[in-house]
Amino acid sequence: QKEVEQDPGPLSVPEGAIVSLNCTYSNSAFQYFMWYRQYSRKGPELLMYTYSSGNKEDGRFTAQVDKSSKYISLFIRDSQPSDSATYLCAMSEAGGSYIPTFGRGTSLIVHP
Amino acid sequence: KAGVTQTPRYLIKTRGQQVTLSCSPISGHRSVSWYQQTPGQGLQFLFEYFSETQRNKGNFPGRFSGRQFSNSRSEMNVSTLELGDSALYLCASSGGTTNEQFFGPGTRLTVL
Repeated sequence: QKEVEQDPGPLSVPEGAIVSLNCTYSNSAFQYFMWYRQYSRKGPELLMYTYSSGNKEDGRFTAQVDKSSKYISLFIRDSQPSDSATYLCAMSEAGGSYIPTFGRGTSLIVHP
Repeated sequence: KAGVTQTPRYLIKTRGQQVTLSCSPISGHRSVSWYQQTPGQGLQFLFEYFSETQRNKGNFPGRFSGRQFSNSRSEMNVSTLELGDSALYLCASSGGTTNEQFFGPGTRLTVL
């Protein structure tokens, strides 16, 4: 079992839909949780960064962490065609090496 | 603040050759990490440098090496290139009060 599991998709939704992207993990020591967006042939761009459990909102994006279930989510409201990209979750431990472990990414397609 | 820059953006090499990639981190960031990204394996951690010292290392053969200079700029070198080394090589820098990683645009290496 991989440390971080993420459905590769693709996930295809109509413009304006609410998108839910998810990752599960097995390492209970993970404390920092991140979501990156990567457009084709570009480097990943940090979208959300959260510590421990709870929700964080930034514009149309909401990140949710449930440490008891080892499950994190990224919600995108009012999705736009420009949101079409691959979304990578990443997580790291507190203290020591904080090198993040990445999911394989979920490909999202928002069609007009 | 300028972002992470990587040069060159594209490279084509033949098997057996060697290659050097360069990364300039965000000003003030002292940690530079390198990743290999392929469609099959996703984002895989190569190594991390902090203050000119390799602080963490992933599971890659010794053909992959790196270094960091006193101005935090980093280079990675791949010797005796193999076809399987074809990938997007990403550099990420982090620093300041959090461990968020910020990625550069990547160098796309093609080995023929």
